[in-house]
Amino acid sequence: DIQMTQSPSSLSASVEDRVAITCRASQSISSYLNWYQQKPGKAPNLLIYSSSSLYSGVPSRFSGSGSGTDFTLTISGLQPEDFATYYCQQSYSSPLTFGGGTKLEIK
Amino acid sequence: QLQLQESGPGLVKPSETLSLACSVSGDSISSSVSYWGWIRQPPGKGLEWIGSIYESGNTYYNPSLKSRLTISVDTSKNQFSLKVISVTAADTALYYCVRGYYNFDSWGQGTLVTVSS
Repeated sequence: DIQMTQSPSSLSASVEDRVAITCRASQSISSYLNWYQQKPGKAPNLLIYSSSSLYSGVPSRFSGSGSGTDFTLTISGLQPEDFATYYCQQSYSSPLTFGGGTKLEIK
Repeated sequence: QLQLQESGPGLVKPSETLSLACSVSGDSISSSVSYWGWIRQPPGKGLEWIGSIYESGNTYYNPSLKSRLTISVDTSKNQFSLKVISVTAADTALYYCVRGYYNFDSWGQGTLVTVSS
């Protein structure tokens, strides 16, 4: 199985900050990397697919980058509604696996 | 707009079978070239992919669960289902039905299944 490791596991930031969350795969996954946002009590929502493609309706302050084993989700200009938990997920090979999550909290 | 809705018992006894259904509205499973699947999340923990089924009927299961899993489609009801046999407390989780395989672009609201006697 491909292990996905996110860092940090938690992060405190302020509105309007720029933050970056990283995700590392245990082997190369090319660009088969997706990012999701999950708010308390809600299902996750797809933000970024194929490492850097913005899903329909997702604000442009979200961006993704990386290939191979190292990936980054960047939020430029945090908004109050962005405080949530973020997960990466690889779709390179089965079983599909998720990172452990990064909880983004208000400072 | 695509909507997914899980249904099934919220409490299952150990060693019994967990059965959930996902009703799809806004799209036809039989005419859609899509994957449909299940993801679970134990309380307070991360996400685990359970398995997926393609419109052709081909199934893809997480090897960690494969021996206990069945995912199937009922095109007459426009729904797909999950069965997990011989459940234990480790199967207690919020179960989501989803569309997709390479990415999951639509999710149900989730249904909590507790395994307890």
